[in-house]
Amino acid sequence: KNEVEQSPQNLTAQEGEFITINCSYSVGISALHWLQQHPGGGIVSLFMLSSGKKKHGRLIATINIQEKHSSLHITASHPRDSAVYICAVSPPGNQFYFGTGTSLTVIP
Amino acid sequence: GAVVSQHPSWVICKSGTSVKIECRSLDFQATTMFWYRQFPKQSLMLMATSNEGSKATYEQGVEKDKFLINHASLTLSTLTVTSAHPEDSSFYICSARNRDTGTYEQYFGPGTRLTVT
Repeated sequence: KNEVEQSPQNLTAQEGEFITINCSYSVGISALHWLQQHPGGGIVSLFMLSSGKKKHGRLIATINIQEKHSSLHITASHPRDSAVYICAVSPPGNQFYFGTGTSLTVIP
Repeated sequence: GAVVSQHPSWVICKSGTSVKIECRSLDFQATTMFWYRQFPKQSLMLMATSNEGSKATYEQGVEKDKFLINHASLTLSTLTVTSAHPEDSSFYICSARNRDTGTYEQYFGPGTRLTVT
């Protein structure tokens, strides 16, 4: 059983649509991370959060610690948002658990 | 913001040779760096945790004699794939934790694609 589960695995959206990616985890954590990986591989850290909600531009991340669930929202999606979005959690200590990622394709 | 670089970004080598990959924190000091590998369409798998000035801690199933890690300074860690074989072909990613922030944030490098022929 994976410590981190993401859904959906694949997502195709029309440009302008509102997108939600979900992440559930089963371990106690110090923080949850949302990462973006573009074709070609480089990873960018989008958010690190341990409670509540964070917003950066068109991206919004929320977390519910009691329910062990987080969501990443993209408003007014754009083709350049096409990437793999990865949820990762860090329990106290060095270990990092990664979800398998959600592959997002935004069609013009 | 915190930047982590990797060099080279891609490398092709012949079977049996060794390849060194560098991971540098450019604008912060990293007491801890992490090495991951990623196979196509799979998630990142932690290979080892590298602490400055001490031996790396390897995850179960990772051969420490094959994947040599050296964290010689607070800004540089290296991963050497020794006697590389085609099955070592993968995408290798490092990340670093900022010593000064004391948070659990990791900053990721852009990755190195290794192809062993």
